[in-house]
Amino acid sequence: GENVEQHPSTLSVQEGDSAVIKCTYSDSASNYFPWYKQELGKRPQLIIDIRSNVGEKKDQRIAVTLNKTAKHFSLHITETQPEDSAVYFCAASWGNYGQNFVFGPGTRLSVLP
Amino acid sequence: SAVISQKPSRDICQRGTSLTIQCQVDSQVTMMFWYRQQPGQSLTLIATANQGSEATYESGFVIDKFPISRPNLTFSTLTVSNMSPEDSSIYLCSVEQAGAGGELFFGEGSRLTVL
Repeated sequence: GENVEQHPSTLSVQEGDSAVIKCTYSDSASNYFPWYKQELGKRPQLIIDIRSNVGEKKDQRIAVTLNKTAKHFSLHITETQPEDSAVYFCAASWGNYGQNFVFGPGTRLSVLP
Repeated sequence: SAVISQKPSRDICQRGTSLTIQCQVDSQVTMMFWYRQQPGQSLTLIATANQGSEATYESGFVIDKFPISRPNLTFSTLTVSNMSPEDSSIYLCSVEQAGAGGELFFGEGSRLTVL
């Protein structure tokens, strides 16, 4: 089955700097790659996603890149702010998405003021 | 986006007892998903609940331990049976909303502590 690895497990950056989180997946059939943000005590919420027919997607300060050949995708956050502090989960999915999600282990991002 | 309500939000339970978690969605959905998030860990799918059929369980999860009901297209329950301290986790209900292109929406979760 699918296996998703995520690095780093923890990341601390200064406010205003950029943060990059990388994920790799094992199943070449995966075609949907979402990123979820989970603040302490809250539910996971989708912040950006990318499909396999696209190499890059951007939404304001957040971007995701996908390299299908290498089977990895990355989350880029620019101009980080304290409210970006949270745990970020990547996931890979295929087919009927909902029942085939595999989440990465998560990255705890701390943005230091 | 789908609005998902879960009850209870948290509970403290005694070893050997069972607890049922309820999940209510504000729109009809075909599939509902139950996830477990152990302390400091990622999200692990327990089972997929379809209305009118038995739930489909992931490897490592069995119906006797986690019975699920799905009586209609907006409601589901997950029971954690014969609990032990290892069952202390957050249990999350999730749905994939039609037209959302695969996005999963999560409930707030039910935080269970087993003593």
